Amino acid sequence: AQSVTQLDSHVSVSEGTPVLLRCNYSSSYSPSLFWYVQHPNKGLQLLLKYTSAATLVKGINGFEAEFKKSETSFHLTKPSAHMSDAAEYFCVVSSSGSARQLTFGSGTQLTVLP
Amino acid sequence: NAGVMQNPRHLVRRRGQEARLRCSPMKGHSHVYWYRQLPEEGLKFMVYLQKENIIDESGMPKERFSAEFPKEGPSILRIQQVVRGDSAAYFCASSRVDSATNEKLFFGSGTQLSVL
Repeated sequence: AQSVTQLDSHVSVSEGTPVLLRCNYSSSYSPSLFWYVQHPNKGLQLLLKYTSAATLVKGINGFEAEFKKSETSFHLTKPSAHMSDAAEYFCVVSSSGSARQLTFGSGTQLTVLP
Repeated sequence: NAGVMQNPRHLVRRRGQEARLRCSPMKGHSHVYWYRQLPEEGLKFMVYLQKENIIDESGMPKERFSAEFPKEGPSILRIQQVVRGDSAAYFCASSRVDSATNEKLFFGSGTQLSVL
């Protein structure tokens, strides 16, 4: 069994300040972990993924996430928020790697204030 | 490459009507997945299809829901006799192989179904 918990449904930051979106997971096997972003009226886009290689994963648009097995966490960070980062972010876990066995978190809505 | 195309973007139906949601995968992609997102929840897998075959429908409700991916044309998710609880965002995704880790999964922008 696998599950994902996104700890904040809404996060609000000022432009230029750091972003932290929190994600905890549960998985019976060594998981693959993903972060997807959804901008309004757009499809989900892959930001980054962890697949048992380096624990610090760098993604697009300056985002990165660190896999911490001891804490079962995969938090998403960015040093400096940009207005264009405002979107909904989904943390996703997969034990098998198959797209039919992805478990999505309920999403975190990121607001960036000017 | 136009990406994964879903239509309509918004669909309004009255209780008891049928809803048809369409998904055209990316060019060269033969694997299609449908997900449903209920309010305040994450996306949940419904069905996985390849051309002319349903491979895995373990996430589909047992009644009223069906899906197809014909040899020609888009994949269709069909909901018969819709009820208010079917109101949700329905997302389609496609890939070249059935692997979210080794292959990038591309999502459409979804169809928002509202049942009155």
